[in-house]
Amino acid sequence: GQQLNQSPQSMFIQEGEDVSMNCTSSSIFNTWLWYKQEPGEGPVLLIALYKAGELTSNGRLTAQFGITRKDSFLNISASIPSDVGIYFCAGRMNSGGSNYKLTFGKGTLLTVNP
Amino acid sequence: DGGITQSPKYLFRKEGQNVTLSCEQNLNHDAMYWYRQDPGQGLRLIYYSQIVNDFQKGDIAEGYSVSREKKESFPLTVTSAQKNPTAFYLCASSWEGRTGELFFGEGSRLTVL
Repeated sequence: GQQLNQSPQSMFIQEGEDVSMNCTSSSIFNTWLWYKQEPGEGPVLLIALYKAGELTSNGRLTAQFGITRKDSFLNISASIPSDVGIYFCAGRMNSGGSNYKLTFGKGTLLTVNP
Repeated sequence: DGGITQSPKYLFRKEGQNVTLSCEQNLNHDAMYWYRQDPGQGLRLIYYSQIVNDFQKGDIAEGYSVSREKKESFPLTVTSAQKNPTAFYLCASSWEGRTGELFFGEGSRLTVL
């Protein structure tokens, strides 16, 4: 099956710093999504990307859908303590039954030191 | 408030016992999903349902069963055939036209003793 390589695995940063994480795949995806999960909770959708080359922002978060459709990145600017959590990328194929199947990366654990 | 409710949040089970995890949504979503999460791993799809009375196996369906008798409800049974059931289980739902945009419940943590 498809696999997503998400990096880095973890990050320790100071409050106010910018953060960048990315996902790469050997397969083409037609949709890329970024989720955030806080301890003991379910993931929450941050950004959804539907078009190759698309750059979308959500507050201090910016994500891009790679031109090759095999990668995506997420940037967080001016980090704050509440940005702490695990960030997951996910890709979707958009064909037939795979419309309902997301492939998730293993996550990036972000720690922000005040 | 609309959302997804999973219960119980914590569950302990002895080996050989079946256990059922509840998932209820009041978002009027057609599609519902069950994912399994293990430490340091991404989410893996167990089962999904596009519509009432229909469901499909995901990537790791062995040892699990589901039903979809009502639009709002999608319970998951972890059977004794599941070899390594200790995990965090997440239920989600989505609109039919936005099947990548998942709304997750708070999860159920199952521990097998």
